[in-house]
Amino acid sequence: QKEVEQDPGPLSVPEGAIVSLNCTYSNSAFQYFMWYRQYSRKGPELLMYTYSSGNKEDGRFTAQVDKSSKYISLFIRDSQPSDSATYLCAMSEFQGAQKLVFGQGTRLTINP
Amino acid sequence: IAGITQAPTSQILAAGRRMTLRCTQDMRHNAMYWYRQDLGLGLRLIHYSNTAGTTGKGEVPDGYSVSRANTDDFPLTLASAVPSQTSVYFCASSGGAGRADTQYFGPGTRLTVL
Repeated sequence: QKEVEQDPGPLSVPEGAIVSLNCTYSNSAFQYFMWYRQYSRKGPELLMYTYSSGNKEDGRFTAQVDKSSKYISLFIRDSQPSDSATYLCAMSEFQGAQKLVFGQGTRLTINP
Repeated sequence: IAGITQAPTSQILAAGRRMTLRCTQDMRHNAMYWYRQDLGLGLRLIHYSNTAGTTGKGEVPDGYSVSRANTDDFPLTLASAVPSQTSVYFCASSGGAGRADTQYFGPGTRLTVL
């Protein structure tokens, strides 16, 4: 079993829909949780960063962490075609421990 | 500011050949990483370096070697390429101002080993 599980999709939704992307993990020591966005044929870029449990909002994006369930989510409101990308969750145990563990990535398409 | 550059962009390589993938960053980051990305497997860490002069093994190090002679450069070498090393390779860096574990990625190198 992988440390981090993420449904690879593909996920296709109409423009304006609310998108929910999720990851589960098995290592209870993870404390730092990230979402990266990767456009086709590009490198991943950091989208959201959260510490421990709770919510964090940035514009149309909300990241949620539930450590008791070992479950993290990324919500995208008012989705746009420009949000079409692969979204990867990543997590680490310590702020200074640079070795991140990534999920497989979910490929998302927003249809105009 | 370029961030992270990787070369070459893509390469087709015969099995058994030696190949070095280049990575350079201009952000003065202490830590650098090499990942491979394969369909269905996500990003897997090959090797990393916490600072110049030190390196460490990641999840899938076999068949790869790295060196870190200075802060900016972190080349990845395949001593004798095999078809299973066909993948997209990403270099990343972290450290400096801001969160130490925010990793910044290069554009990737697409490698095909025949």
